[in-house]
Amino acid sequence: KQEVTQIPAALSVPEGENLVLNCSFTDSAIYNLQWFRQDPGKGLTSLLLIQSSQREQTSGRLNASLDKSSGRSTLYIAASQPGDSATYLCAPIKAAGNKLTFGGGTRVLVKP
Amino acid sequence: DTAVSQTPKYLVTQMGNDKSIKCEQNLGHDTMYWYKQDSKKFLKIMFSYNNKELIINETVPNRFSPKSPDKAHLNLHINSLELGDSAVYFCASSHRGGPGPQHFGDGTRLSIL
Repeated sequence: KQEVTQIPAALSVPEGENLVLNCSFTDSAIYNLQWFRQDPGKGLTSLLLIQSSQREQTSGRLNASLDKSSGRSTLYIAASQPGDSATYLCAPIKAAGNKLTFGGGTRVLVKP
Repeated sequence: DTAVSQTPKYLVTQMGNDKSIKCEQNLGHDTMYWYKQDSKKFLKIMFSYNNKELIINETVPNRFSPKSPDKAHLNLHINSLELGDSAVYFCASSHRGGPGPQHFGDGTRLSIL
């Protein structure tokens, strides 16, 4: 059974600092891994998807790395802004069309 | 151009009632999902349908009955609502045969009085 842990559970940084969000998973036999953002009272916005064969994926200020063999993924957010304040969730998936298994999320607050 | 849309957005009702949540996707995906986010914000899969067929049923009480009239719709009916059913329910969709991401709706916040 896949278990996903996200550390830290909460993070508060001043604007401009780089953010590092960690995700670990117990079953390394994954198909891909998705990072999401959730704003309070809102739905999930997909940020990045990394295929199991990839080491990293980038979109603007966001970069996600994947070390499948050690069961880890890291989301880096460069030059954080107050608008980055949200909860970030990682979710590996075992096979196409299968369920996502979510971590508990990291709640990020970027202070102006 | 809403990709995955759920209705209603909010649902407040009393214990014992029966209610339905509807979900529609216009992405041409063949697989749809229901996830539940509890009060502690943990998100867990409930059901998954592929081309109208149930493929995942994650130990959910049989008071919950999903129905997929076609591959663009997946509805969730809940009988005899209980206090513990209070949560946010998210619908999602994806292509089963491809590596693409799952796309989520905005959620339905269900509150049981």
